[in-house]
Amino acid sequence: NAGVTQTPKFQVLKTGQSMTLQCAQDMNHEYMSWYRQDPGMGLRLIHYSVGAGITDQGEVPNGYNVSRSTTEDFPLRLLSAAPSQTSVYFCASSNLAGAHYEQYFGPGTRLTVT
Amino acid sequence: AQKVTQAQTEISVVEKEDVTLDCVYETRDTTYYLFWYKQPPSGELVFLIRRNSFDEQNEISGRYSWNFQKSTSSFNFTITASQVVDSAVYFCRLGGGSQGNLIFGKGTKLSVKP
Repeated sequence: NAGVTQTPKFQVLKTGQSMTLQCAQDMNHEYMSWYRQDPGMGLRLIHYSVGAGITDQGEVPNGYNVSRSTTEDFPLRLLSAAPSQTSVYFCASSNLAGAHYEQYFGPGTRLTVT
Repeated sequence: AQKVTQAQTEISVVEKEDVTLDCVYETRDTTYYLFWYKQPPSGELVFLIRRNSFDEQNEISGRYSWNFQKSTSSFNFTITASQVVDSAVYFCRLGGGSQGNLIFGKGTKLSVKP
């Protein structure tokens, strides 16, 4: 099993550009989520999904879109990147209710918006 | 609203010292879950432990131990005889209620010097 994979590992965007961060898991997990990690801020939940076709907002959803068309994939879209979105992004998955159980994290994507 | 406070931003110890990382939480849920994660310098997030609100037994795993006290809303983590490999950022996490109700503390950076 590859676990949770994220691509790309690093990305530099200019303000206003759009891009999609990819996340995939091969553990057949129903729950998937996206976090951003900023210095001194811990991890903050952006969006989450409890199954294919179901997504919901977390603590900091503004500026991000998600969709979940398959169990395996949970892409995060930045429609118009802003410098405030410079961060490290982590995708995670869980076999059960993600807020209640251990989550498996991907390696992260380091995004810089100039 | 839920809240997790890790008041210690950075801790520095010398190898073989014992160290305790504090975690204080706030929640209105009667059923909730507490976690600790480790983030070594390489950046990945490693799950350490999960406790539910009905299980106040302390847990020991090798050099690691956890003290859960509902009376003080604390879930502290102690490393006995610390080693250089314990150097990392440690996050406490609270989950409960809805699946979006998931909060990380801001983390404590532990440096263990030889």
